Amino acid sequence: GNSVTQMEGPVTLSEEAFLTINCTYTATGYPSLFWYVQYPGEGLQLLLKATKADDKGSNKGFEATYRKETTSFHLEKGSVQVSDSAVYFCALSGSARQLTFGSGTQLTVLP
Amino acid sequence: EAQVTQNPRYLITVTGKKLTVTCSQNMNHEYMSWYRQDPGLGLRQIYYSMNVEVTDKGDVPEGYKVSRKEKRNFPLILESPSPNQTSLYFCASSPNRGVETEAFFGQGTRLTVV
Repeated sequence: GNSVTQMEGPVTLSEEAFLTINCTYTATGYPSLFWYVQYPGEGLQLLLKATKADDKGSNKGFEATYRKETTSFHLEKGSVQVSDSAVYFCALSGSARQLTFGSGTQLTVLP
Repeated sequence: EAQVTQNPRYLITVTGKKLTVTCSQNMNHEYMSWYRQDPGLGLRQIYYSMNVEVTDKGDVPEGYKVSRKEKRNFPLILESPSPNQTSLYFCASSPNRGVETEAFFGQGTRLTVV
């Protein structure tokens, strides 16, 4: 079946530091890949997505590239802000339309 | 405003007392689903529905029931809650079956079963 392995947290960074959160996946067929973000006390919201190999998703300074050869979709941001503190989930959507999530990575950005 | 609304946001109940968590969306989405979120496990799908009167099991359906009598509503029913169902629950909806389509999530229901 499908699975997503996500970098363990928590991750603590200083403001303006570079962020990478690793995500690898196992899936049959041609899944779409997503990063969702969960701010404290809220539901998940889509951060970015990529639907085919070599696609790059981007939003709010975050980027991730769909790498089929390494089955990866790592999240990056060049300069994090305190407001980026949240839990980040990598997910894939396969042929059955079911979303499969990673375990989540808690990010804390200190001023 | 387009949204998925869950109620209640917080619930404490006792073992064996039937409860229902409601979910409603105002975006005319066909697909709806329920997830539970547990530390270190991410979100796991409980049940999903492709459309009215069409429901199916997700990865962790034991102890739960759902119904889809109307397109906008997808309640989650716990007939006899147990402490291992203490969790954070999310309802989600999406407009079609395409794998590239994003899901829209409610704000969550934190359930404690004592």
